[in-house]
Parts: sequence; structure tokens; C-alpha cells
Amino acid sequence: GQQVMQIPQYQHVQEGEDFTTYCNSSTTLSNIQWYKQRPGGHPVFLIQLVKSGEVKKQKRLTFQFGEAKKNSSLHITATQTTDVGTYFCAGGAQKLVFGQGTRLTINP
Amino acid sequence: KAGVTQTPRYLIKTRGQQVTLSCSPISGHRSVSWYQQTPGQGLQFLFEYFSETQRNKGNFPGRFSGRQFSNSRSEMNVSTLELGDSALYLCASSQGVGASYNEQFFGPGTRLTVL
Repeated sequence: GQQVMQIPQYQHVQEGEDFTTYCNSSTTLSNIQWYKQRPGGHPVFLIQLVKSGEVKKQKRLTFQFGEAKKNSSLHITATQTTDVGTYFCAGGAQKLVFGQGTRLTINP
Repeated sequence: KAGVTQTPRYLIKTRGQQVTLSCSPISGHRSVSWYQQTPGQGLQFLFEYFSETQRNKGNFPGRFSGRQFSNSRSEMNVSTLELGDSALYLCASSQGVGASYNEQFFGPGTRLTVL
């Protein structure tokens, strides 16, 4: 079945440093979604990318969808303590397959 | 609008028992999907219901079942509970069918512990 792999599994940064998480699918995706889950919380939708090579920005967050639509990345510039949480990518044909997530912790 | 609500929030059961979890979607959302979240397996898709019909199903045994009512509220049932069923069960609603095409609005989840 389809697999979505995400790296790294954990990332610890100093506040103000940048952060990037990478997502790779075993199959071509029609689109990819990104979610954030705060500790003790539930996943919250961040964005959906649809087009090959698409780049979208939300303030300090930059999302990219690969040209082959098999990989994606999320980059956070100048992290803040509010960015703490686990970031998931997800994609699939009808069924949503989630990556294992990247847990971001920040040293203030 | 009120968000997705799930009841109960916490549940403790013993092996062999069965359990029913409930989910009320955001008003106007007709699709409800269920997910299991565990530290080992991560977030896994269970099934999706739209207009009272199961539209998609994940790779879970038949002990896991669900249904959706005419008001879009959904329930999922797990029979003959096993220790490995201990997890956070998340419900998500969306406006359209096809979880991979529609923004998922997640509820707070039901934490199930099987002893």
C-alpha cells in the first residue's frame, strides 16, 4: 500500500532558528495536506498543496510540493515557542495516509 | 460554528469488551472520517462516511465498524477489544467526500485504554 515517510522524526532547535521537515510518498500524490498537532491536542489543518512545484507561504511557514508530486516540505523561519508541536504531512487517493510526523521542540 | 465534538473523551475497558464512540461533525459537514492514533503506528485512517454510506476503508480488521446517521453524526464500534486497541480515536469532518481532497476538521478525540 501507499506509504508516506517523514523526516526527521524529532527536531530540537533554539528559538529563532529555522526548521524544516520533509515528506516523501511511495506513489504520486494528487495533493498533499499538512497538519499541526500541539502536545495534548488534535491535528489542525495548515494547508493543502495541489499543483506540481507549488509553493505557498503562511507568515513564517513555507510549504513546497515537489515537481513529481511525490515529495513535500515545510520550512519554518525563525521559530517561536508557539511553533512547538508535531507536524504531519498527509496524502492519498481517497484515504488519507499520514506521515509519522516530525516533533518540534524549542529551547527558548 | 461549534467544532467537532466527540464523546466520551476518556474510556477504560477490559479485553474482550466492546465499545462505541460518538462523533458530531461541524454543522453542514456531511463527511465524517475516523482515525486511530498510537505512538507506534501514528495516525491511521479507519474509515470515512458520507451521506450515511461508508465511502472508504482503511486496513483494520472487521472488529472495527462504523455508521453514520441522517444528521451526519457518526459512531464507531470496536468489538472484542484487544490491548493493542488502546489509542486516541479521532473523528474528523469535512464538507466534501474524500478525506484526501478535503480539509479535515478534527475533534478532540476519545482516549481508549484497554486493560
